[in-house]
Amino acid sequence: AQSVTQPDIHITVSEGASLELRCNYSYGATPYLFWYVQSPGQGLQLLLKYFSGDTLVQGIKGFEAEFKRSQSSFNLRKPSVHWSDAAEYFCAVGLLNDYKLSFGAGTTVTVRA
Amino acid sequence: GAGVSQSPSNKVTEKGKDVELRCDPISGHTALYWYRQSLGQGLEFLIYFQGNSAPDKSGLPSDRFSAERTGGSVSTLTIQRTQQEDSAVYLCASTPDRGGGYTFGSGTRLTVV
Repeated sequence: AQSVTQPDIHITVSEGASLELRCNYSYGATPYLFWYVQSPGQGLQLLLKYFSGDTLVQGIKGFEAEFKRSQSSFNLRKPSVHWSDAAEYFCAVGLLNDYKLSFGAGTTVTVRA
Repeated sequence: GAGVSQSPSNKVTEKGKDVELRCDPISGHTALYWYRQSLGQGLEFLIYFQGNSAPDKSGLPSDRFSAERTGGSVSTLTIQRTQQEDSAVYLCASTPDRGGGYTFGSGTRLTVV
């Protein structure tokens, strides 16, 4: 069965420190991969996506993610977090020409001063 | 419009009443999706529209839930005889065609009391 796993429910990080959020998937084929961010009371905003090509993807707000086929992972990183990065982050996976995305359960990021 | 618009943003209703949630996708986006986000849960797929037809409504939880889309644009999600377990944030998203990264609306927070 297809699945998306975000192993970390909650991460606390100091402002200015680096951040890495993990995402693992189980799919029969190479999927399309996405990271979304949701601030309190808001919808989901697309941070970045991977379809093909360079496995290191740059996104908005200084985020990047690396697709590692051998590990079935698509981890999100930011070198230096800002207080405004406190939010919930969702990894999502889909297939070529499919319409439905499967979402992980989300990781809540808290930024301390 | 410039983004996906959902209304109302918040809805409190009494158990047993019917509610209608509206989604206005980005102009020209042919695909429209409804997801549900319950407290502490990930995103649950409800239904997918391509144009005015719904090829996949497999995620609708029960026959109390229905949705329609008219003119290839606005969609309405209707929940009849609401129950407390229907309390959630209902998110709408659209894409230019099938697949790809979704653009989400800000959601409707439904509370059934």
